[in-house]
Amino acid sequence: EAGVTQFPSHSVIEKGQTVTLRCDPISGHDNLYWYRRVMGKEIKFLLHFVKESKQDESGMPNNRFLAERTGGTYSTLKVQPAELEDSGVYFCASSPYRHPYGYTFGSGTRLTVV
Amino acid sequence: GIQVEQSPPDLILQEGANSTLRCNFSDSVNNLQWFHQNPWGQLINLFYIPSGTKQNGRLSATTVATERYSLLYISSSQTTDSGVYFCAAAYGNNRLAFGKGNQVVVIP
Repeated sequence: EAGVTQFPSHSVIEKGQTVTLRCDPISGHDNLYWYRRVMGKEIKFLLHFVKESKQDESGMPNNRFLAERTGGTYSTLKVQPAELEDSGVYFCASSPYRHPYGYTFGSGTRLTVV
Repeated sequence: GIQVEQSPPDLILQEGANSTLRCNFSDSVNNLQWFHQNPWGQLINLFYIPSGTKQNGRLSATTVATERYSLLYISSSQTTDSGVYFCAAAYGNNRLAFGKGNQVVVIP
């Protein structure tokens, strides 16, 4: 089966610009998660979708971040406007309904804000 | 949330050597995973191991849930084992708490 796919793999943008990250989970996985690792810190939870519904978005740092999951398939994470401290690696993961703790992670999107 | 601590933070191994990575977690967990971050940045799942011992080739893992720790064993290390190993504890509503990782370098 295809894994979790993330686009783009790298993005360099200027402070104040908008960037949209995309995640395609494994087909049939109801659970979709976003995590990120900023420089020197641990990988931190951002939010969790179950199908198209936001189950938990308590990890979102502020209202400049907006995540959507249209039709319960792929998800996007938009950062608007981007700030320097948003630089880091954004990971997406998915897991099936019957095995919610069986995470499969994507390769991540490395975001650099200059 | 749960605190996850990994040790040692950095490890240099001679090819062929064995090593043990440790993960301590601060509270009861629903699951415990070990990941290897490959050179392309992808987090590759190694083990789902909430308790007990599992083996996969040269790697094995043991979690003692009652004592809140997990160990990852690498035997006969190879240069391809280099990279960062992450421990992550699943708790609450399907959230993962990650440690800072073990940076492993295997030299030929």
